[in-house]
Amino acid sequence: EAGVVQSPRYKIIEKKQPVAFWCNPISGHNTLYWYRQNLGQGPELLIRYENEEAVDDSQLPKDRFSAERLKGVDSTLKIQPAELGDSAVYLCATTDPLDYEQYFGPGTRLTVT
Amino acid sequence: AQSVAQPEDQVNVAEGNPLTVKCTYSVSGNPYLFWYVQYPNRGLQFLLKYITGDNLVKGSYGFEAEFNKSQTSFHLKKPSALVSDSALYFCAVRDPAAGNKLTFGGGTRVLVKP
Repeated sequence: EAGVVQSPRYKIIEKKQPVAFWCNPISGHNTLYWYRQNLGQGPELLIRYENEEAVDDSQLPKDRFSAERLKGVDSTLKIQPAELGDSAVYLCATTDPLDYEQYFGPGTRLTVT
Repeated sequence: AQSVAQPEDQVNVAEGNPLTVKCTYSVSGNPYLFWYVQYPNRGLQFLLKYITGDNLVKGSYGFEAEFNKSQTSFHLKKPSALVSDSALYFCAVRDPAAGNKLTFGGGTRVLVKP
């Protein structure tokens, strides 16, 4: 079975440009998380979805970040405009409804220049 | 609020020697504790978890962890380290009251030298 799929794996953009990340969860996993991992630190939650509903976006910088999960499957995280401090790895994770295990995708490494 | 502390930024160990990566936690209810490993340019991989039951939890790749309630610790251990164990290790606590959100420690880099 395929794991959590994320694309692109790497992205380099100039500041003030927009960028989007895509996540395809494991089939049947209704809960989806976006985390941001700064260099040398642990991941921090940005937003959590239950199906298509964003139920916890308290840590999402809403002035420039947005996310959507249409139809409760794939999800997109967008930054517009990007700032230098947004350089990080953006991780998507989904949860097995049987044991609440979180499975992580490989992440998208964003570099803002 | 839940929190996790990993007091060591890096642990160096010779191949074949025992490996210990420390983790302490703070939770308001029952602890749901996890260890993940991250290799370069890879996502987080699940190693093991403690939910309930035996204090010694066995996981993937020969790793185990000991839950100690009185010391609020959940140290990761491996009896004989391999060079391939060199990676970044994260301890995490899950909060069922917050949609099972994971709160991670800052990570510990393990370097196993031949």
